[in-house]
Amino acid sequence: SYELTQPPSVSVSPGQTASITCSGDKLGFKFVCWYQQKPGQSPVLVIYQDTKRPSGIPERFSGSNSGNTATLTISGTQAMDEADYYCQAWDSSIVVFGGGTKLTVL
Amino acid sequence: QVQLVESGGGLVKPGGSLRLSCAASGFTFSDYYMTWIRQAPGKGLEWVSYINSIGIIIYYADSVRGRFTISRDSAKNSLYLQMNSLRAEDTAVYYCARAKIADRPPDFYMDVWGIGTTVTVSS
Repeated sequence: SYELTQPPSVSVSPGQTASITCSGDKLGFKFVCWYQQKPGQSPVLVIYQDTKRPSGIPERFSGSNSGNTATLTISGTQAMDEADYYCQAWDSSIVVFGGGTKLTVL
Repeated sequence: QVQLVESGGGLVKPGGSLRLSCAASGFTFSDYYMTWIRQAPGKGLEWVSYINSIGIIIYYADSVRGRFTISRDSAKNSLYLQMNSLRAEDTAVYYCARAKIADRPPDFYMDVWGIGTTVTVSS
């Protein structure tokens, strides 16, 4: 079965750029989306179709996908961005999530 | 506004059954695929199942296939998950989510999530 691999944790200083990776075999040939989940809350879609932002998502969130790696980038990271982030793709009609990355803003 | 509200969670003994419901509002329910996703305590997101807009395309994760049944009732704007033969490892918050899907290129993502309902399987 298809697998997506994320680093368990990423740390960033306020105002700096955070990059969270998601790796999978030939991932660049699939669409990837990203969800943000804050403690005690439901996930929120922040990036879909590799690079698109839903309405209401700040411009500091961006995405890319090439080769075997997709990346969620948060520019000018704010304290409110501290959360768990999950990548997700669709393979052979099955929905696949990455294991999640805890972003710490310190 | 667009909203999904799950219900039906609770405490159940191993081997027992539970039926989850998800009430949709604020959008044309019959136009969308719908999914169930779960999250065990302290763990990541796990996809459980999805169903297409008219209920004839259904997929399950290996971990629940044969025990769980997804269904929908467009007249009631509702999604369901019948869970049988429950195990301790099914303990989780269960979310329903609206899905967007495309065939070419293949694409599937969840753009609206409910608040979740908690299922605890314990003796």
